[in-house]
Amino acid sequence: DAMVIQNPRYQVTQFGKPVTLSCSQTLNHNVMYWYQQKSSQAPKLLFHYYDKDFNNEADTPDNFQSRRPNTSFCFLDIRSPGLGDAAMYLCATSPGPGDQETQYFGPGTRLLVL
Amino acid sequence: QKEVEQNSGPLSVPEGAIASLNCTYSDRGSQSFFWYRQYSGKSPELIMFIYSNGDKEDGRFTAQLNKASQYVSLLIRDSQPSDSATYLCAVRDSNYQLIWGAGTKLIIKP
Repeated sequence: DAMVIQNPRYQVTQFGKPVTLSCSQTLNHNVMYWYQQKSSQAPKLLFHYYDKDFNNEADTPDNFQSRRPNTSFCFLDIRSPGLGDAAMYLCATSPGPGDQETQYFGPGTRLLVL
Repeated sequence: QKEVEQNSGPLSVPEGAIASLNCTYSDRGSQSFFWYRQYSGKSPELIMFIYSNGDKEDGRFTAQLNKASQYVSLLIRDSQPSDSATYLCAVRDSNYQLIWGAGTKLIIKP
């Protein structure tokens, strides 16, 4: 089945220790997104890629970086995690821009910072 | 600042009744509207989308859109305990950005 896969599902890291979260998709979608979601809050868009074109949200901290080496894979790097970065990180994909595009989410990675 | 507002709840509805979830948005130029369901600790799952004024039905779910009032709702008929979740409203604004509400927590009581 076509799907969005995220690894790991749970990640524990130490304060300041870099961490990388991964996302892969078999939907062959052009657009990939990274969201951060904290408890009882709306998902917050960090980045998105349309093909290889990288789009950084204005308020995404410099501590967060992203890579998309090919159509199928996308990575989120947190260079120096702080306690405030503990959250669910969601990867989503969509076919392309337009009014009728819908986003499809992976299962998420829950990050805990000790 | 473009906004999507939802009552955080929890909204408690007896099993078998109709659950009504509401969402308002600030950008009058918004064109498309999405409802996602999110179970605790899980990722959002698309329930329905609607683009035109009026009602759109899919099984037990009906989305209602009123662009003049900047209001979109989701009705769930014959509510089941498995419908208990947080329902997120998302609106694609006039700049093609997807603006998310914080969600309404729905509890279906057996």
